[in-house]
Amino acid sequence: DAGITQSPRHKVTETGTPVTLRCHQTENHRYMYWYRQDPGHGLRLIHYSYGVKDTDKGEVSDGYSVSRSKTEDFLLTLESATSSQTSVYFCAIWDSYYGYTFGSGTRLTVV
Amino acid sequence: GDSVTQMEGPVTLSEEACLTINCTYTATGYPSLFWYVQYPGEGLQLLLKATKADDKGSNKGFEATYRKETTSFHLEKGSVQVSDSAVYFCALISTYNAGNNRKLIWGLGTSLAVNP
Repeated sequence: DAGITQSPRHKVTETGTPVTLRCHQTENHRYMYWYRQDPGHGLRLIHYSYGVKDTDKGEVSDGYSVSRSKTEDFLLTLESATSSQTSVYFCAIWDSYYGYTFGSGTRLTVV
Repeated sequence: GDSVTQMEGPVTLSEEACLTINCTYTATGYPSLFWYVQYPGEGLQLLLKATKADDKGSNKGFEATYRKETTSFHLEKGSVQVSDSAVYFCALISTYNAGNNRKLIWGLGTSLAVNP
């Protein structure tokens, strides 16, 4: 078990407010990812990190920013939430044997 | 670019029926191939993987064989159970994508419902 914890598990927020989702891992993995999952779109990569303070954009990064100041924490921020960002957000880590391991997800609703 | 195509669902089967979920891919080089499963309300879990041609991944009665000649990685199970009801995702990592990102290329998922 890679020990990935996402918080919060559920959140309802208002349009225009900033929101931060947290991903915490306990096994010192270098690579971490944020995905969103939407019906008909599967999983889409938002941002990823390959080390402390090393991050890069994925395919749907507009409106999102990330930070990784410690190996164990990878934060996803919605600068100003919109209804189109209502989704289920998954954090994941990568290791060379197991491949990807996912957190349990955060269900975000923007009203 | 690299891509993964899965058969569309939903797939509905009776318990003990045979299952095949088709997955084909397009990739440069020699990708590693994966099947992930997502049970209702949960995150994705690795079901099985194969890292080179002719490898067979297997787990929980599911199997998939890496077929380079047909660029396929079909998921099969001989006798499904109600507990197998889930969404199944095929995915790949290209060997040319081994820089900083290790990004998986995903299929859109196939929903499976197994009735008693």
